[in-house]
Amino acid sequence: DTGVSQDPRHKITKRGQNVTFRCDPISEHNRLYWYRQTLGQGPEFLTYFQNEAQLEKSRLLSDRFSAERPKGSFSTLEIQRTEQGDSAMYLCASSFEEAGGSISYEQYFGPGTRLTVT
Amino acid sequence: GIQVEQSPPDLILQEGANSTLRCNFSDSVNNLQWFHQNPWGQLINLFYIPSGTKQNGRLSATTVATERYSLLYISSSQTTDSGVYFCAVEQGAQKLVFGQGTRLTINP
Repeated sequence: DTGVSQDPRHKITKRGQNVTFRCDPISEHNRLYWYRQTLGQGPEFLTYFQNEAQLEKSRLLSDRFSAERPKGSFSTLEIQRTEQGDSAMYLCASSFEEAGGSISYEQYFGPGTRLTVT
Repeated sequence: GIQVEQSPPDLILQEGANSTLRCNFSDSVNNLQWFHQNPWGQLINLFYIPSGTKQNGRLSATTVATERYSLLYISSSQTTDSGVYFCAVEQGAQKLVFGQGTRLTINP
C-alpha cells in the first residue's frame, strides 16, 4: 500500500492555459474525492467518484473544470482557460465504501498539486 | 449545510506544554476525522473518531456525538507538532466538511 499519489506536485501556468492533474488512489479504494484548498482555509469539496461514476459535484466546480475516472482507478482533474483565482492546492483523497452502505470510512489524502496561475 | 467550527484559531505554546483543540459541529455526523497538515501541505491522518475516545502516543481524541463536539489533546508538545490541525466531518457517506483549522506553534 503506497498511499494516494498525485502528479504533478507543483504546476505554474499562465492565465488562459489548460492544466490537467492526476490522482492515483489506494488500490483497494473504490471512492475518490477531489478537494481544493486556498491559503489560510480548510479544504473544500469539489467532486467525488464511486468507482467510475461521478456522484456529486460542488457548486465550486465551474464548467471550466472537468473530472474523470474512466476505469475506476486513477482520476484526472482538468481546468480549462485557467484564471488567477484557480491558484490553490488541489487535494485528492480515497476511501472504501461498501456497496449500498451508509457507513463512511476513513479518507486518506495525497500530497496535493499546488497550482499557481500567473 | 453542516457547519464546523474550530477553536482556538491560533495557539502558541512552549515545548513540553499540553494543549486542547476543540471542534464543534452543527448537526449529527457519521464520520469525524482529525488531521495534521505539515508545512508541505500534506494532510496526515490522526484519528478517525465518530464517537468515543482514542489514544495514539502523546495524542488522544474524544468525540461526544450527542453534544456535537470533539477534542484533540496533545501532551508534552514538541516542536514537530507545529502546524495546522483540521477537524472534518461527514454526513451520510459522502464528502468531508472541514473546519478552518487551528494553527499550533510550539516554541523551543
